[in-house]
Amino acid sequence: GAVVSQHPSRVICKSGTSVKIECRSLDFQATTMFWYRQFPKQSLMLMATSNEGSKATYEQGVEKDKFLINHASLTLSTLTVTSAHPEDSSFYICSAPRTTEIAQYFGPGTRLLVL
Amino acid sequence: QKEVEQDPGPLSVPEGAIVSLNCTYSNSAFQYFMWYRQYSRKGPELLMYTYSSGNKEDGRFTAQVDKSSKYISLFIRDSQPSDSATYLCAMVDTGGFKTIFGAGTRLFVKA
Repeated sequence: GAVVSQHPSRVICKSGTSVKIECRSLDFQATTMFWYRQFPKQSLMLMATSNEGSKATYEQGVEKDKFLINHASLTLSTLTVTSAHPEDSSFYICSAPRTTEIAQYFGPGTRLLVL
Repeated sequence: QKEVEQDPGPLSVPEGAIVSLNCTYSNSAFQYFMWYRQYSRKGPELLMYTYSSGNKEDGRFTAQVDKSSKYISLFIRDSQPSDSATYLCAMVDTGGFKTIFGAGTRLFVKA
């Protein structure tokens, strides 16, 4: 079964509003989680690494004030898209590795549409 | 040059065919190799995970790693329409924690 969940699965919002996406590890603790963005028919683009108890690490070109990440506990990381604009419309996916494993386990993704 | 190269396809095969999906890479430090399957509008699902060179089999799926050639493959036997998806290869080096993904190959298996 699923080991990483995401909520909501789909969200439609108006331009200028903020949207929060939650990522939870279901049966393990994750000190690190990853946030990706994926455009149609394209591969995953790593946005940031979420670290429990410390600041997230953002990839080059990703605005940290635009995409706020909070790793509130060992099982929860949140991504908030602030002042969303239509160009932020995309598929956002989180992932987490189990403590003793290298492979990442992905959430089901959140489809964001900004009108 | 990208660290990981993967032909995006699409690759179309008839049901029952053997499918070969491949990735090449340039970083000799990569030690962990994964294959993910992603259905449309879903998150990637871990299919196979191998360490260093060699083969690993799981049902109809076989993952193969050739570190000397910096080449990895995923074979799907007796392909089914339900195998139609995008397959992404991924790699991690021994020192780092970041996973590098290939572009993904779109596979269509026709009934």
